[in-house]
Amino acid sequence: DVKVTQSSRYLVKRTGEKVFLECVQDMDHENMFWYRQDPGLGLRLIYFSYDVKMKEKGDIPEGYSVSREKKERFSLILESASTNQTSMYLCASSTPVLVGLGEKLFFGSGTQLSVL
Amino acid sequence: GENVEQHPSTLSVQEGDSAVIKCTYSDSASNYFPWYKQELGKGPQLIIDIRSNVGEKKDQRIAVTLNKTAKHFSLHITETQPEDSAVYFCAASKAFNKFYFGSGTKLNVKP
Repeated sequence: DVKVTQSSRYLVKRTGEKVFLECVQDMDHENMFWYRQDPGLGLRLIYFSYDVKMKEKGDIPEGYSVSREKKERFSLILESASTNQTSMYLCASSTPVLVGLGEKLFFGSGTQLSVL
Repeated sequence: GENVEQHPSTLSVQEGDSAVIKCTYSDSASNYFPWYKQELGKGPQLIIDIRSNVGEKKDQRIAVTLNKTAKHFSLHITETQPEDSAVYFCAASKAFNKFYFGSGTKLNVKP
């Protein structure tokens, strides 16, 4: 069965701390994503990676960075956490539904981050 | 960029009734429209999708319709059951790795 694992379910951090959110997939997928989920705003893309060491900014990259040193692992980094980064963070990997016709996303269970 | 609007934000139905969730999109180049279901404490999971060259797709009690001219698509769930209670997200995509999600609909099916 397909599995995307996020290292923490709940995380509480202080303002100004450096925060690492880890994600591992076991499906050998090329693409991995970090989304942020906020009530009433849906899912918004922070960063995605289409290969090891390759990354592209999503729609809301400010205040975040990412690292992909190995194919199966994609990390989201909050360089200096702020209260407005309190949110649910979802990692995903993807595989083509059909070539050129869309990707199927597989999500982890999410990390609820609270920045105090 | 693409803008996806989803309605309603909450929907409460009686078990056995039908539920309909509607989404509109702005970019006529979008060509792939998936629907995801998120149960409490879990990540979203793909339940059905449709491509722009198809008008309707069914999978048991779930169906999705697409009107390209009006730029809207809908999720239809028939004979709802309590296990259908969840948050549903629509999305639109034109590039393989770019998805734009709606704001979500919380469906509550009352036994």
